Amino acid sequence: DAGVIQSPRHEVTEMGQEVTLRCKPISGHDYLFWYRQTMMRGLELLIYFNNNVPIDDSGMPEDRFSAKMPNASFSTLKIQPSEPRDSAVYFCASRARGVAEQYFGPGTRLTVT
Amino acid sequence: DAKTTQPPSMDCAEGRAANLPCNHSTISGNEYVYWYRQIHSQGPQYIIHGLKNNETNEMASLIITEDRKSSTLILPHATLRDTAVYYCIVASWNTGNQFYFGTGTSLTVIP
Repeated sequence: DAGVIQSPRHEVTEMGQEVTLRCKPISGHDYLFWYRQTMMRGLELLIYFNNNVPIDDSGMPEDRFSAKMPNASFSTLKIQPSEPRDSAVYFCASRARGVAEQYFGPGTRLTVT
Repeated sequence: DAKTTQPPSMDCAEGRAANLPCNHSTISGNEYVYWYRQIHSQGPQYIIHGLKNNETNEMASLIITEDRKSSTLILPHATLRDTAVYYCIVASWNTGNQFYFGTGTSLTVIP
């Protein structure tokens, strides 16, 4: 398996623009997670899905952030409009039902100018 | 909401065992101890987890004290590629999705 796939790997955009980050979880995994990592706040869980259904989005910072999982093999995290403080590395992770470990993707480094 | 305490940094000589401590004095009966590491610019990597028994896999060993209030991750023969930030996390099985990574321990393996 190729592991968790994220795209793009790097994104540079201007303040006010819409940003869409993409994730393909490992095939057969029932859970998908979106994390954000910054120097100030470390690694934070934003939202997670179980069987394509959002279960907990309490970590989503504000209404500008939204996440969807239209099917078991694809998820998006959208920021609209983007702000400089959204600059961070965004990770997607997935895990299978009944096991402990989450497998992380390589991350998307977002820079908002 | 920190449930674990780890030293911010440690050094280890290449080829020697690296012992990374973690305190989790408020751990509850149904919570597991998980260890992850993050090599610079990469996504976190699962290492090992345990409930109360010591565990070993191809990457590391996990020693959990009898009262479960602390644990030690052991890398038996550290290499330069083990230089990373190591995170100790406690979470219950059925809420194992709620991982709080904290600040971790930055391990530097010295040649």
